Amino acid sequence: EAGVAQSPRYKIIEKRQSVAFWCNPISGHATLYWYQQILGQGPKLLIQFQNNGVVDDSQLPKDRFSAERLKGVDSTLKIQPAKLEDSAVYLCASSLKGLVHSQTDTQYFGPGTRLTVL
Amino acid sequence: KQEVTQIPAALSVPEGENLVLNCSFTDSAIYNLQWFRQDPGKGLTSLLLIQSSQREQTSGRLNASLDKSSGRSTLYIAASQPGDSATYLCAVRGSSGSARQLTFGSGTQLTVLP
Repeated sequence: EAGVAQSPRYKIIEKRQSVAFWCNPISGHATLYWYQQILGQGPKLLIQFQNNGVVDDSQLPKDRFSAERLKGVDSTLKIQPAKLEDSAVYLCASSLKGLVHSQTDTQYFGPGTRLTVL
Repeated sequence: KQEVTQIPAALSVPEGENLVLNCSFTDSAIYNLQWFRQDPGKGLTSLLLIQSSQREQTSGRLNASLDKSSGRSTLYIAASQPGDSATYLCAVRGSSGSARQLTFGSGTQLTVLP
């Protein structure tokens, strides 16, 4: 089966510019996640969607970050305006069930988008 | 707030050696624990998932153990190979709240020398 697709793979922008990332999850997966991974750290959850509804966006900097999941499939994450500290890899992941009480529900990750803010 | 720590941050071993990676977490009320592998420029790949009711899981040369009461997990890699070189991340899923988000450690960067 096809994995999680992300684009672009790399992006370099100047501070105060805007940028958008795209994610296509595995077909049939109900839950979609966006993570931010700063160099040398583990991924940090930014937002979680169940179908096209937001489940958790408690760690999303809402003054500059926004995300949507169109028709419960693809998703876009936007940063406007970008700051130097936004330089990171942005990972998208999907899982089959998400909220359903399944201890074995595994998240599948895409290759990520590496953002450099100058 | 759950905190996950992985020690050491980096490890270099000769090929063929058995090794142990360590993970500790502060809140023992977890739903499950996963070990992931991350290769440079690539996403994360799930290696093993241990349910809260389990003590260990095995896959090939990999064995992961879980001790909830002490807040610890180990990943044992037998007969290491250069292809095992990667960053290994431990993540725990909380048992409360509808989101049950994953909390990751910072990872151990493993280098297996030929």
